[in-house]
Amino acid sequence: NAGVTQTPKFQVLKTGQSMTLQCAQDMNHNSMYWYRQDPGMGLRLIYYSASEGTTDKGEVPNGYNVSRLNKREFSLRLESAAPSQTSVYFCASSEGTGSYEQYFGPGTRLTVT
Amino acid sequence: GENVEQHPSTLSVQEGDSAVIKCTYSDSASNYFPWYKQELGKGPQLIIDIRSNVGEKKDQRIAVTLNKTAKHFSLHITETQPEDSAVYFCAASTAWNNDMRFGAGTRLTVKP
Repeated sequence: NAGVTQTPKFQVLKTGQSMTLQCAQDMNHNSMYWYRQDPGMGLRLIYYSASEGTTDKGEVPNGYNVSRLNKREFSLRLESAAPSQTSVYFCASSEGTGSYEQYFGPGTRLTVT
Repeated sequence: GENVEQHPSTLSVQEGDSAVIKCTYSDSASNYFPWYKQELGKGPQLIIDIRSNVGEKKDQRIAVTLNKTAKHFSLHITETQPEDSAVYFCAASTAWNNDMRFGAGTRLTVKP
């Protein structure tokens, strides 16, 4: 099992450009998440999908959109990138929401200039 | 919403010593408290978790204690080894809440 995979690993964007971060899991998990990690701030939830066909906002959703393409895949889209979105982005999955272990991908380091 | 504070932000110990990281949370409804370890260039990985119906849980050299009255929980690592060097995150959530809140992290360095 590959677990949770993310593409790309690194990306540099100019302000105003758009891009989509891809995430896939092969553990047959129902729930998937997108976090951003900034120095000194831990992980903050951007969006999550409790189950296929549903998505909800987390703590910091502004400037992002998500799509739960199917049970395996959950993508994060930046429509018009801003320097404040420079961060490391992690995708995670779990069997269910709440008190289940979350499995994290290796992350995408995004720089917006 | 939930707010999780974690201390210290950095911790340096000698190999073989113990390390303790402490977290406090604000939402009394929180009942699930995981700890994640993040090695350089990788995603966080769960090392231990505790639910509110127990006060302590141990797994080999790692233990977690929970004080629901005071709303704090701690990670204890005994007989530390250089491979324990990493960033550790605490988190808190409820069984019905999908918004798990993480602490800011503790960078642990174990000196050989």
